[in-house]
Parts: sequence; C-alpha cells; structure tokens
Amino acid sequence: AQKITQTQPGMFVQEKEAVTLDCTYDTSDPSYGLFWYKQPSSGEMIFLIYQGSYDQQNATEGRYSLNFQKARKSANLVISASQLGDSAMYFCAMREGRNRYSGAGSYQLTFGKGTKLSVIP
Amino acid sequence: DSGVTQTPKHLITATGQRVTLRCSPRSGDLSVYWYQQSLDQGLQFLIQYYNGEERAKGNILERFSAQQFPDLHSELNLSSLELGDSALYFCASSAPQQEAKNIQYFGAGTRLSVL
Repeated sequence: AQKITQTQPGMFVQEKEAVTLDCTYDTSDPSYGLFWYKQPSSGEMIFLIYQGSYDQQNATEGRYSLNFQKARKSANLVISASQLGDSAMYFCAMREGRNRYSGAGSYQLTFGKGTKLSVIP
Repeated sequence: DSGVTQTPKHLITATGQRVTLRCSPRSGDLSVYWYQQSLDQGLQFLIQYYNGEERAKGNILERFSAQQFPDLHSELNLSSLELGDSALYFCASSAPQQEAKNIQYFGAGTRLSVL
C-alpha cells in the first residue's frame, strides 16, 4: 500500500484565489511528521510546512496552512491568495518513527507522486 | 537558497561509466540524505549519513555507494551506469537540534543523463 497518496495529478487555480492540495497517508507509527515541499520548474525542492503527529494545532507558514485531520489520516495543504509564482509541483512527504539513536535518527522521507499546480492570471 | 550545495548541476555520461556527485550540507547540519527522482519511480530515498556514519539505506542499488567525510560533505558514487540511472539526484541535510521535526533542506540537485 502506498504510504503517501496525492490523488490530484494536476490542479488549476485563479490568481488570488485559495487552493487545497490533497494528501492522505498511511502509517501505524504513533509518532510521525508530515511535510510539504514545492518543486518549481527549475527543479529545486523547497520546504514549505511541517506538521507533527502530536501537534495540537494545524501548522501555518505565511500563505501556507496545513489542514491536519488525524483520524482521517489526511494532511491537505491550503495555499491562500495564490500567486503566479506558486505554479509548481507540490509534494507531500512523511517521516516515521522516533529517535532510535542518541542525537540522531533514521528519518528518511517517503514522498507522494505530487500535484502540479497551475495558477491562472 | 537552502544552504545545501550540490555539484555538478548537470552531468552527461555514457553507459558503463562511473560518476561522483558531491554535496555540502548546511552549516551545522550533521545528517545528509540522498534521494533519486525519476519519472517512473518518483522521489525515492537512497541513503543517509550522520556525522560520518551510515544511518539508513533505502532503495540504493549495489552499483551505488556513498560516504560522508570528516568535514561533513558527502559524495554519491554511481558506477556501471545504465540508461535507467538517468534522474535528478538530490542531497538534503538536517540539523541535530531539529531532530524532533527533522526538516530536511534540499540542494538544487544534480541532473544525470546517461546516454
């Protein structure tokens, strides 16, 4: 089974409107983290926002917010007031597990297949 | 700018050859991760190093190897290259003080083309 599922291969949004990108995850680990990254056409991966499984409140970072619904195992990214520069691929990722080693852990990320967002002027 | 430096940006080589990809993590970060992004496999974790020691292995082929040096820069060695190894290879780093979150900051990637 896929650990991270992004069901929207592509999305369109009008400039200045809000958009929600969907992400569902699958884990039996009680401690995990969820991440969103942006990949513009230039190729780099840009960290946007983080949500921990024990965080009581939904994460927010500027125009980005994460709609975290733990029982549904979903972690949707909401981008408010879309800008042309938001056009990019967006990846949801998950890190499982606690620290297993003193001072460090094995915290590789598992990524979804991504959603391509296009902002229309 | 994430602060993670990867060189070279582009690499074109032939099948059967060997290449080395280099990564300098952000200042102070001890963990280095390597990921491969290809059209068919998506983004996949390859290997992690922490302060010079291998921490975890993912879907890394036996033809691939990596190491992290005392100055914390890391190299990913790809040998006996095949057409299917063509991909974007990312390095990411994270800080020990952020272990609870383990936010990984990515370099710009090295685009490998095997002809």
